[in-house]
Amino acid sequence: LAKTTQPISMDSYEGQEVNITCSHNNIATNDYITWYQQFPSQGPRFIIQGYKTKVTNEVASLFIPADRKSSTLSLPRVSLSDTAVYYCLVVNQAGTALIFGKGTTLSVSS
Amino acid sequence: DTAVSQTPKYLVTQMGNDKSIKCEQNLGHDTMYWYKQDSKKFLKIMFSYNNKELIINETVPNRFSPKSPDKAHLNLHINSLELGDSAVYFCASSQNDRNTEAFFGQGTRLTVV
Repeated sequence: LAKTTQPISMDSYEGQEVNITCSHNNIATNDYITWYQQFPSQGPRFIIQGYKTKVTNEVASLFIPADRKSSTLSLPRVSLSDTAVYYCLVVNQAGTALIFGKGTTLSVSS
Repeated sequence: DTAVSQTPKYLVTQMGNDKSIKCEQNLGHDTMYWYKQDSKKFLKIMFSYNNKELIINETVPNRFSPKSPDKAHLNLHINSLELGDSAVYFCASSQNDRNTEAFFGQGTRLTVV
């Protein structure tokens, strides 16, 4: 399983764009990059998943360079409600369970 | 309608007791999971069931026994509770065991005193 490394914490202000980078140097050919969000006292919630280049949905964008050894989750114009822990996971669709790391605690202030 | 629901939300019990946490999903998913999140916020997989069959059993004390009466339910029974079992337990489900989008319940905060 590819190990992921991401910052422990980040601070931002409302209205700013936040980019959280995750490194996964040992990612395998069949692995996907997936991000989850966890609010206090709630279970994690799927945000976005990608294999290469760029993926965008209503919540975030995910940028993956050609070598796929890192990825960046981009949250446009964050608000206070985006304060949460963000987990970067490398997943294989071969039937293994999701393995969560320590995640990045994002704190958004007004 | 809650997609993945766990009961109870809070559970306080004494050491040595036996307790159960129930989980139900109404998403029609084939695969269900139990995760444990400790005080340091590490989220670890405990068990995974696919169509009522155990497919993942991580290194968990055998005091923990999952039971899946049908594919919509995965209950967790814990015998002889210990202080170190205090944590938040999350149930989750996914469409199948090859799907990477999991839906989590709201968690059960277990406190052993």
